[in-house]
Amino acid sequence: GAVVSQHPSRVICKSGTSVKIECRSLDFQATTMFWYRQFPKQSLMLMATSNEGSKATYEQGVEKDKFLINHASLTLSTLTVTSAHPEDSSFYICSARTGALSNQPQHFGDGTRLSIL
Amino acid sequence: AQKVTQAQTEISVVEKEDVTLDCVYETRDTTYYLFWYKQPPSGELVFLIRRNSFDEQNEISGRYSWNFQKSTSSFNFTITASQVVDSAVYFCALSERNRDDKIIFGKGTRLHILP
Repeated sequence: GAVVSQHPSRVICKSGTSVKIECRSLDFQATTMFWYRQFPKQSLMLMATSNEGSKATYEQGVEKDKFLINHASLTLSTLTVTSAHPEDSSFYICSARTGALSNQPQHFGDGTRLSIL
Repeated sequence: AQKVTQAQTEISVVEKEDVTLDCVYETRDTTYYLFWYKQPPSGELVFLIRRNSFDEQNEISGRYSWNFQKSTSSFNFTITASQVVDSAVYFCALSERNRDDKIIFGKGTRLHILP
């Protein structure tokens, strides 16, 4: 089946550091990838939709300059949390869709647990 | 308005009991998908089922079953003969064709299966 790899699985860093999270589709091409954030004991909230070769579309309330998304190839999207602060500590999950058609399912990565000290 | 409502925040049952997780959704779209995901303590999302809006047939997969009723906008999930390994947070979710198929998650139900 379709596999989505997310790296790193866990990162701990100091406040002010920028952190890059990678989301790769290992055995399929993903024209669209999605980034979600999940605070402890809360639901997953969509942050942005990433389309290969174009700018990401951010959900309301998500700072695009804070969360930089790059989808440079059909198998890789990256989320960079710039100048991270403790309030950015969260669980970040990506998903990838196998095609542009709505009947194509999304496949989720295993998530990245980000802790900012 | 909340698109996906999971009214049960937390449920505890004794092992081998049956348990039903409720999900009510809201949409004006005629083409949509409904999902259930399991999130164990390790954090990854485990896909359980996807159902499109044109398929109201109930589904059974082992100890899991789903009841989709458009008349009540509900997509309930039942675990039969629950096991301790079923302990997790379960999310119901919705994606709509007119919303670019973005998945909107409910707040989740934390299920504790007690030995």
